[in-house]
Amino acid sequence: QQQVKQSPQSLIVQKGGISIINCAYENTAFDYFPWYQQFPGKGPALLIAIRPDVSEKKEGRFTISFNKSAKQFSLHIMDSQPGDSATYFCAARIQGAQKLVFGQGTRLTINP
Amino acid sequence: NAGVTQTPKFQVLKTGQSMTLQCAQDMNHEYMSWYRQDPGMGLRLIHYSVGAGITDQGEVPNGYNVSRSTTEDFPLRLLSAAPSQTSVYFCASRSSRLGSSYEQYFGPGTRLTVT
Repeated sequence: QQQVKQSPQSLIVQKGGISIINCAYENTAFDYFPWYQQFPGKGPALLIAIRPDVSEKKEGRFTISFNKSAKQFSLHIMDSQPGDSATYFCAARIQGAQKLVFGQGTRLTINP
Repeated sequence: NAGVTQTPKFQVLKTGQSMTLQCAQDMNHEYMSWYRQDPGMGLRLIHYSVGAGITDQGEVPNGYNVSRSTTEDFPLRLLSAAPSQTSVYFCASRSSRLGSSYEQYFGPGTRLTVT
């Protein structure tokens, strides 16, 4: 099973709050889990990524939490800002393969 | 460094027409791919290439053809456009060299409408 299921489809958070987006997968052969950020009219851009040998990775206000046993990973955006309003995609790569499998996307809106 | 470029930015086609979406990258990346983005469906892989002369199908290849004659270019051809191909198309590339990151670089997209 090469799917990655992402939720919620849309999310509204107040400025300063914590935004949380979740992804789940079935294939235990996935070995790389990136998150991409996409602003309207632009292509997606890599935000942060994690490998399954660590449980958490933090870069500034963005944190990936990874639960290998539950086959879930999530993106946390601390102190969310209006400039974080974008669509976020989780993705996964099968070990040894070139291609990425993407989640359905989450449209995040941060209200000022 | 222009990164990944795509032309055109917008296109309207009539059902049955053909066209080619252009994609070029100047980062000497071996791997290139085409995705389509539809609401609620995420990014779905159409075709990909691991190097010049080598292409393979993704999860939604029907109705699309690709070729890779050079490292830089990876055009996507619609032979007979259908309304179901109305979408935003993204080209992406990344390095396959040992030790390189897995980061994919995306182009700005082509918004295609088929009437």
